[in-house]
Amino acid sequence: EVQLLESGGGLVQPGGSLRLSCVVTGFTFTNYAMSWVRQAPGKGLEWVSVTTGTGGRTYYADSVKGRFTISRDNSKNTLYLQLNSLRAEDTALYYCAREGGLVLISSLDYWGQGTLVTVSS
Amino acid sequence: QSALTQPASVSGSPGQSITISCTGTSSDIGGYNYVSWHQQHSGTAPKLMIYDVSYRPSGVSSRFSGSKSGNTASLTISGLRAEDEADYYCSSYTSSSTRVFGGGTKLTVL
Repeated sequence: EVQLLESGGGLVQPGGSLRLSCVVTGFTFTNYAMSWVRQAPGKGLEWVSVTTGTGGRTYYADSVKGRFTISRDNSKNTLYLQLNSLRAEDTALYYCAREGGLVLISSLDYWGQGTLVTVSS
Repeated sequence: QSALTQPASVSGSPGQSITISCTGTSSDIGGYNYVSWHQQHSGTAPKLMIYDVSYRPSGVSSRFSGSKSGNTASLTISGLRAEDEADYYCSSYTSSSTRVFGGGTKLTVL
């Protein structure tokens, strides 16, 4: 059974940092690209970032470019998202999701339950 | 990276069919066949319903279908059921090697 479990969320002050983790089980992690998607309270989905199976290529939404860094440790079946220079508008539930297709970005076929990041003083 | 355009809400009665549109540009929907649709019930993670414009993942009801014409993709749900009431999001691959979502459509089953 495919499972994705996020952790690392919490309350942080503006300008602060957090590192989110997503541990996966049930599939060969290195074979799949992985994405982060966030959802602000009461709002829609916003794509954040994607990384290839090896971690060799990464792409970001303009809203987080230069502040967030996606990475992965394939030996630990874990995806990461480093969040720096956090702003109030980064407050959201952060989901990790598997890119299920044969190309980098095609379909997010499995999702975790999310970890909540709150940026507030 | 402007969001794709979806209607804020649609509604229909049980047994009826509804269609949700999703409009983008030639740099996303119009340029690639990597359009997907997700269903999200309140308080739960999104669920993939349609991928690559018109394909259904295993386990998704055949009442759900997808299509595309030019820069607009559509999700059609036939034989509406109460459990279909949820938020629906389209998304597409873009020419910048990123993904863009629509703003979401709230489906109400009357």
